[in-house]
Amino acid sequence: DQQVKQNSPSLSVQEGRISILNCDYTNSMFDYFLWYKKYPAEGPTFLISISSIKDKNEDGRFTVFLNKSAKHLSLHIVPSQPGDSAVYFCAARGVTSGSRLTFGEGTQLTVNP
Amino acid sequence: NAGVTQTPKFQVLKTGQSMTLQCAQDMNHEYMSWYRQDPGMGLRLIHYSVGAGITDQGEVPNGYNVSRSTTEDFPLRLLSAAPSQTSVYFCASSYWGDKTYEQYFGPGTRLTVT
Repeated sequence: DQQVKQNSPSLSVQEGRISILNCDYTNSMFDYFLWYKKYPAEGPTFLISISSIKDKNEDGRFTVFLNKSAKHLSLHIVPSQPGDSAVYFCAARGVTSGSRLTFGEGTQLTVNP
Repeated sequence: NAGVTQTPKFQVLKTGQSMTLQCAQDMNHEYMSWYRQDPGMGLRLIHYSVGAGITDQGEVPNGYNVSRSTTEDFPLRLLSAAPSQTSVYFCASSYWGDKTYEQYFGPGTRLTVT
């Protein structure tokens, strides 16, 4: 069973507008969530994270929102830039999982100039 | 710091052949892991290790072996390659017990099994 789901395989946005990437999870034991960004032919790189005790975390153009009652998180990128075009993975850690992460399927974001 | 390094970058194997994918990190991280990335499947955990001499299975361990004799190295062995193991393989590492849980990834190995 897929405990972390990213239902949109792709998203296309105009430069300067907001990009919103969504992620749903089913395991209520997840207590920490991360977003990773991946360019072609490179490994994923950490972008931003949020603890389950918070509902928002902001870092520059990137903000992650967590809605625990809906088991939903989203990544907002404002303003979007062509260099943001990449695959974005949502990941979650379980309370009893140590450092193990469960990843979603990924969303390909394309920012058009 | 080189971070996490993986070799080779590309590999083509015939069905039934065996090989070892190498992974090394120079950050003194206790936790290391192997993932495979397949289209529409995200990153799936194959095996992981929380320190030298300690390994455990992840989500998709069948057909793979690991060992951890040093903190730095965590090789992944394919015992008898199958076409279903065609994938991109990523090694990652992090501090164990680090409250940010941020993992650092290598550049990946693209494996094709014919």
